[in-house]
Amino acid sequence: NAGVTQTPKFQVLKTGQSMTLQCAQDMNHNSMYWYRQDPGMGLRLIYYSASEGTTDKGEVPNGYNVSRLNKREFSLRLESAAPSQTSVYFCGVGTGVDEKLFFGSGTQLSVL
Amino acid sequence: QQQVKQSPQSLIVQKGGISIINCAYENTAFDYFPWYQQFPGKGPALLIAIRPDVSEKKEGRFTISFNKSAKQFSLHIMDSQPGDSATYFCAACWGNYGQNFVFGPGTRLSVLP
Repeated sequence: NAGVTQTPKFQVLKTGQSMTLQCAQDMNHNSMYWYRQDPGMGLRLIYYSASEGTTDKGEVPNGYNVSRLNKREFSLRLESAAPSQTSVYFCGVGTGVDEKLFFGSGTQLSVL
Repeated sequence: QQQVKQSPQSLIVQKGGISIINCAYENTAFDYFPWYQQFPGKGPALLIAIRPDVSEKKEGRFTISFNKSAKQFSLHIMDSQPGDSATYFCAACWGNYGQNFVFGPGTRLSVLP
């Protein structure tokens, strides 16, 4: 997971609270992604950014917002957390050549 | 049609045995099929990948077999080791874009010493 740094590693929220998950890469690639991982469901794409200044919705965007702050950083915000957002969140970076995805070590989020 | 099905959900193999994980897809537009390995507390890491113009790809103890007509592909781990114990995800993608990845639900492999 070298090159993709996610913070925090763990977070517990109460329903309705907000928080921002941070992701930074030092791989100098354009594409960045936010996924959530739930048991038995694999990885599902929340939002992605093909390049600095652009963001697009993925498969499960409801309840989330993102910001591509610069080429290195891509943040995911939960404005009003819900128990259904309890999950493990992964930031990914894509190489653009055969699109190899590199992932951070994840954020385990619990919403009570 | 966007689903990738994966089986089994969990697998227990003795050390030295062969681990086999199967995946199936419907969308014929998929043109890139990677496998990811994930250890507890870590993010998934690319293990091996194949394109549909070949039927098999081998890297060390890991082999992907691909059957285009059946729309199936599988991961074989030869001489399985306890260090291979992890969750394995197959995926399918079209167009070389990460936003087009579809992941299978994962297989938890345990290799007994």
